[in-house]
Amino acid sequence: QSALTQPASVSGSPGQSITISCTGTSSDVGGYNYVSWYQQHPGKAPKLMIYDVSDRPSGVSNRFSGSKSGNTASLTISGLQAEDEADYYCSSYTSSSTYVFGTGTRVTVL
Amino acid sequence: QVQLVESGGGLVKPGGSLRLSCAASGFTFSDYYMSWIRQAPGKGLEWVSYISSRTGYTNYADSVKGRFTISRDNAKNSLYLQMNSLRAEDTAVYYCARDRGTCAVDYWGQGTLVTVSS
Repeated sequence: QSALTQPASVSGSPGQSITISCTGTSSDVGGYNYVSWYQQHPGKAPKLMIYDVSDRPSGVSNRFSGSKSGNTASLTISGLQAEDEADYYCSSYTSSSTYVFGTGTRVTVL
Repeated sequence: QVQLVESGGGLVKPGGSLRLSCAASGFTFSDYYMSWIRQAPGKGLEWVSYISSRTGYTNYADSVKGRFTISRDNAKNSLYLQMNSLRAEDTAVYYCARDRGTCAVDYWGQGTLVTVSS
């Protein structure tokens, strides 16, 4: 199972919106509404930000939103803040009943 | 509050074995799938394995299939990962995680480092 494809880096200024893409296949992202997004700060465990494509866990800011079109899922961060600077990973359920993570995206707040 | 505490990591030689444990508290352990996820130094996340809540159905990444075995003891609120025939590429921080069963891992432990080196 190959990793989902994410851009290596995305940057934006405070207050701006950015979008991170996550491209898979019809056997994973495109086949199921089971895409999650995680935020990871250096030296810390990941944190669930979005699950089931677009749902937010309790306590996650509504500045984070998720969507999906075909084989590509997206995470949008609006009103970018300094604390959003971190690594972000997508993941998806697959047709083999396994999970696959994305390659990861480093978000930089300029 | 939900707590997941891993133990059992360390240095092991190639071909050796190691058993990781994860002690869970703060939720009804038997109601949830559980996963192991790893992260090699400076690299991305890699899902390793999950186990279902009650039937004990398991699944594994191709990279560990046949070498690793996930198990759980619902009476002890504990999750395990038996790792055999370890390779250098298994070197990583291993996270124990609570899993909603739809690829949504909502709580993570602090991780335990496994180093495979001669």
